[in-house]
Amino acid sequence: DAGVTQTPRHEVAEKGQTIILKCEPVSGHNDLFWYRQTKIQGLELLSYFRSKSLMEDGGAFKDRFKAEMLNSSFSTLKIQPTEPKDSAVYLCASSFLDYAEQFFGPGTRLTVL
Amino acid sequence: GEQVEQRPPHLSVREGDSAFITCTYTDPNSYYFFWYKQEPGASLQLLMKVFSSTEINEGQGFTVLLNKKDKRLSLNLTAAHPGDSAAYFCAVSGGNNNRIFFGDGTQLVVKP
Repeated sequence: DAGVTQTPRHEVAEKGQTIILKCEPVSGHNDLFWYRQTKIQGLELLSYFRSKSLMEDGGAFKDRFKAEMLNSSFSTLKIQPTEPKDSAVYLCASSFLDYAEQFFGPGTRLTVL
Repeated sequence: GEQVEQRPPHLSVREGDSAFITCTYTDPNSYYFFWYKQEPGASLQLLMKVFSSTEINEGQGFTVLLNKKDKRLSLNLTAAHPGDSAAYFCAVSGGNNNRIFFGDGTQLVVKP
């Protein structure tokens, strides 16, 4: 079975650019999560979808971060406009209803210059 | 909401020693508990999931203890080896949905 896939694996952007990160959850999983991971802040939840409906939208990230789940097998995270402080690893995870454990993708390492 | 505190943030042990990491949580209704391992440059990998009231689970080279009375979750790597060097994260789920609350992680270094 394919796990969670994320593209691109690395992204370098100039300040002010728009970038879109992509995620494909494990087939059949109902829940999808976007996290940001930094050494200082640790793992921060950006968005949580259940069956394509947005369940949580991380308050601190609302203004420039927008996650969408267009269908059950694909999600995007748009950052617009990017700022240097957005440099981090962005992780996507999915889980199956009632089982709770989340399976993580390999992450996208974003560097904003 | 749920708050998860993980200690220590950094841990260095010699090969063959035990490495003990503990987490406390606040929500008494928490139902699922997890340990994840993150090797350098890699993503999070599930080590173990537990959900009984008080339980000792043994995996390959590690033991997990859950004490719901004290709201404490522990991971003990027995006879650690350099390949265990990684970041370890505890995580707690309330069970109402699949939202997971993570500890801040423990960076473990096992020296030969």
